[in-house]
Amino acid sequence: GENVEQHPSTLSVQEGDSAVIKCTYSDSASNYFPWYKQELGKRPQLIIDIRSNVGEKKDQRIAVTLNKTAKHFSLHITETQPEDSAVYFCAAFPGGSQGNLIFGKGTKLSVKP
Amino acid sequence: KAGVTQTPRYLIKTRGQQVTLSCSPISGHRSVSWYQQTPGQGLQFLFEYFSETQRNKGNFPGRFSGRQFSNSRSEMNVSTLELGDSALYLCASSYLSGGGSDTQYFGPGTRLTVL
Repeated sequence: GENVEQHPSTLSVQEGDSAVIKCTYSDSASNYFPWYKQELGKRPQLIIDIRSNVGEKKDQRIAVTLNKTAKHFSLHITETQPEDSAVYFCAAFPGGSQGNLIFGKGTKLSVKP
Repeated sequence: KAGVTQTPRYLIKTRGQQVTLSCSPISGHRSVSWYQQTPGQGLQFLFEYFSETQRNKGNFPGRFSGRQFSNSRSEMNVSTLELGDSALYLCASSYLSGGGSDTQYFGPGTRLTVL
């Protein structure tokens, strides 16, 4: 079955710097890759997603890139702010009517003012 | 639209007891997925219900079960609780099944502590 690995597990950056979180997946049939942000004590919230027919997607300071050949996708946050501090989860959907999202173990991002 | 709601928000149980958690999806959503979240393990998929049918099941023992009602509300039951069942249990709803072609929206979770 699908397996998603996420790196790094923790990331600390200075305010204004960029942050990059990387995920790899194992199932080449996976076709949907969402990213969720979970602030302390709150529910995970979708921040951006990408489908396998697209190589890059951007939404203001957040971008996601997908390399299907290498089977990895990355989250890029530019001009980080303290409110970006949270745990970020990547996920992959392996496709098919019986599939479900497989999540990475998360990256704790700390943005220092 | 109201978001996904879960009740109760917190539960404390002892080993051997059983527990039932409830999830009400966003109005119009027919899919409810359940996840277990523990520190360092991310979100592990338990099962998904769509139109009252279990569509998919994760790798959890049979002590974990669920069901979905005709109004799409879902319940999850854990019997014979073990200490390792202590976790945040999250449900997520989507209009379509599987979470692959439709965004999943999460509830606030139920924090279960087993003593």
